[in-house]
Amino acid sequence: ILNVEQSPQSLHVQEGDSTNFTCSFPSSNFYALHWYRWETAKSPEALFVMTLNGDEKKKGRISATLNTKEGYSYLYIKGSQPEDSATYLCAFANTGTASKLTFGTGTRLQVTL
Amino acid sequence: EAQVTQNPRYLITVTGKKLTVTCSQNMNHEYMSWYRQDPGLGLRQIYYSMNVEVTDKGDVPEGYKVSRKEKRNFPLILESPSPNQTSLYFCASSSPTGTGQGETQYFGPGTRLLVL
Repeated sequence: ILNVEQSPQSLHVQEGDSTNFTCSFPSSNFYALHWYRWETAKSPEALFVMTLNGDEKKKGRISATLNTKEGYSYLYIKGSQPEDSATYLCAFANTGTASKLTFGTGTRLQVTL
Repeated sequence: EAQVTQNPRYLITVTGKKLTVTCSQNMNHEYMSWYRQDPGLGLRQIYYSMNVEVTDKGDVPEGYKVSRKEKRNFPLILESPSPNQTSLYFCASSSPTGTGQGETQYFGPGTRLLVL
């Protein structure tokens, strides 16, 4: 079983703060790294799929970077808002099993006023 | 509307009583998967299917069966449920892009199962 780790496990920030969290994954046989946003009582929703070393993707105030050589990805949220409160999951796919994702345990973000 | 549906959304059952959780997608996706989510463990893949009649074990397949007779449906079967299968279950689907860009998975709403 592949090891995908996320840190921190949970995070409390105030509205307007910028924050970031980390996903670590095996650096060999890399195919893709996914980020999902999971709100309580809803289903996970895709944020980014990243495949190239050095990739940087952005959606509004959220962005992500990818380093496949050292096996990590960062997710950044600029100017956090209460609606950003959710669990952020990363998932790793290695070559040959692109449909098989291994998920990290997530970073639970709470943004307070 | 493109979506993945699961039924039932909530289920309470007793040990040993066979049950099926249905999953259906209307996006013509080739890939479908089942995951279970348990506190502190994240999403773990139970089974996945790369196309009709093609299924394979994920990380935690014990106690589960699946079938893929049609492209849109991927039911999860628990022949003899046990309390350790109490969990939140998600079905997901995706399609190969052929571009090396990865395949975004679309998740269903989840099925919360309690086995007494």
